[in-house]
Amino acid sequence: QVQLVQSGAEVKKPGASVKVSCKASGYTFTSYGISWVRQAPGQGLEWMGWISAYNGNTNYAQKLQGRVTMTTDTSTSTAYMELRSLRSDDTAVYYCARLGGHDAFDIWGQGTMVTVSS
Amino acid sequence: DIQMTQSPSSLSASVGDRVTITCRASQSISSYLNWYQQKPGKAPKLLIYAASSLQSGVPSRFSGSGSGTDFTLTISSLQPEDFATYYCQQSYSTPGFGPGTKVDIK
Repeated sequence: QVQLVQSGAEVKKPGASVKVSCKASGYTFTSYGISWVRQAPGQGLEWMGWISAYNGNTNYAQKLQGRVTMTTDTSTSTAYMELRSLRSDDTAVYYCARLGGHDAFDIWGQGTMVTVSS
Repeated sequence: DIQMTQSPSSLSASVGDRVTITCRASQSISSYLNWYQQKPGKAPKLLIYAASSLQSGVPSRFSGSGSGTDFTLTISSLQPEDFATYYCQQSYSTPGFGPGTKVDIK
């Protein structure tokens, strides 16, 4: 079935970097884009950015510009999100989501908890 | 950026109730509006796309309406599995989510 499976939880110190993976299966990876959305504890959903799995084009949220990089590996149908210079307020569950044909996020990964703590 | 608001922020309802949640955009977004359901500890699930189209596999008790700046999500007869938080999301420009509406048991 169509699914996105993410890498496991991470604990990082302030100033470090984290790279989360999102492996797609059950569909043609290069036919859809992948967005990343995060959710701080007890808070709402925040869109972080998008990458085209077809050509690697990206669009990042302005507040994360310069700290986030999204990439894909089409040979393994995997998307990656790297966030640098981590701060305590980056503590959140990070989700990858497929951008479906109707401009909606129709398939979601299970989420990856990233904790930033000294 | 387009700002999204939702009302109410929370509501208490009983099984069988008709529930309506409102979402408003700070500028016209045509019908580029999606609705998601999220249960605790789980990823969001797409319910409605393009303001009023039901995602495959979603029960027909869920419906969406609206265009421009004002949208509604209606649950015609609330079921036990519907207690969750609901988010609207605009896809007209840089994606943005509403703050959510938590539906809990009265």
